[in-house]
Amino acid sequence: EADIYQTPRYLVIGTGKKITLECSQTMGHDKMYWYQQDPGMELHLIHYSYGVNSTEKGDLSSESTVSRIRTEHFPLTLESARPSHTSQYLCASIGLGETQYFGPGTRLLVL
Amino acid sequence: RKEVEQDPGPFNVPEGATVAFNCTYSNSASQSFFWYRQDCRKEPKLLMSVYSSGNEDGRFTAQLNRASQYISLLIRDSKLSDSATYLCVVNTAGGYNKLIFGAGTRLAVHP
Repeated sequence: EADIYQTPRYLVIGTGKKITLECSQTMGHDKMYWYQQDPGMELHLIHYSYGVNSTEKGDLSSESTVSRIRTEHFPLTLESARPSHTSQYLCASIGLGETQYFGPGTRLLVL
Repeated sequence: RKEVEQDPGPFNVPEGATVAFNCTYSNSASQSFFWYRQDCRKEPKLLMSVYSSGNEDGRFTAQLNRASQYISLLIRDSKLSDSATYLCVVNTAGGYNKLIFGAGTRLAVHP
């Protein structure tokens, strides 16, 4: 089992609130990723990082932001949540090999 | 055109059947290839890597055809527990470990 964690697992929040989705991994991986996935749909890469102080936007435009101050931690923030942000957010990391390990995901519902 | 294309299915097969999925990719410079499995409401997990010479893992066989830019997954003697969505994944060229996920093929194995 991969040691990658996400909190909260489920979040229901009102429009306009600021939220931070946490992602941590204890494997010492440099590369970390955030994906957004709607039910029954494909994963879309929204952010990635190749190491501390490195962040890049992914293929899908997102109003979220990320930071990478520590290797093990890659939080995603939405400054003002909207119903269109309702989705599942999956965090992942890659180590020396190419296997991408995923966290269990955060299911976000914005009312 | 999507970078990775898969037949969304669903493939409905009886237990014991052999089923094959195909996947095509558009970037001829892609370097590595994978099949991931995603159960309903769960995170994706690596099923197997796909090597140029083809590889087998128990009931699962993966093949790569670089000339035609397609990848296949063959599942023999299907089990009920094989029911899931199978994601074709391609690592973009450049060694940046940016994985492109297909939308997935749904498999439903019935008794």
